[in-house]
Amino acid sequence: GAVVSQHPSRVICKSGTSVKIECRSLDFQATTMFWYRQFPKQSLMLMATSNEGSKATYEQGVEKDKFLINHASLTLSTLTVTSAHPEDSSFYICSAGQSYSNQPQHFGDGTRLSIL
Amino acid sequence: SQQGEEDPQALSIQEGENATMNCSYKTSINNLQWYRQNSGRGLVHLILIRSNEREKHSGRLRVTLDTSKKSSSLLITASRAADTASYFCATVKNQGGKLIFGQGTELSVKP
Repeated sequence: GAVVSQHPSRVICKSGTSVKIECRSLDFQATTMFWYRQFPKQSLMLMATSNEGSKATYEQGVEKDKFLINHASLTLSTLTVTSAHPEDSSFYICSAGQSYSNQPQHFGDGTRLSIL
Repeated sequence: SQQGEEDPQALSIQEGENATMNCSYKTSINNLQWYRQNSGRGLVHLILIRSNEREKHSGRLRVTLDTSKKSSSLLITASRAADTASYFCATVKNQGGKLIFGQGTELSVKP
């Protein structure tokens, strides 16, 4: 089945650091990838839709200058948390899918981000 | 933003029993999907049901969809300890494929 690889799986860093998370579709081309944030015991909140070759579409309330998304190729999207602070600590998950909406999304294993 | 509610929020059953989880949503949809998440991991797709379908089966899983009530249910029959996980419904509204998740049900199956 389709595989999405997300790295790193865990990051612990100091406040003020910028952190980059990669999401790769390993065996299919993904024109669209999605980035989610999940707090403990809660559901996934969509942050943004990453579109290959164009600007990401951010959900209401998500700061685009804080969460930089780059989708430079059909197999790679990156999320950079800039100048991270403790409140940015969370579980970040990406997903990728085929072009059609009637297909399931394939999820990465998530990145646990802890800002000290 | 969340699409709707799932109930129960938590469910604890014995191995061999059936588990039923419900999901309600607010807007019209293209399809509804169920996903499973083991603790600290990503999501695994279980079943996709289109808006013109009423029921779908996959192994021990049975999903129903009632678009008039804007609700869906996931039934896991003959549960196993390995089914312990969080289960999420997610709706897709249009061709963009964007998933909007429900709150999730945390299922615990005791051996």
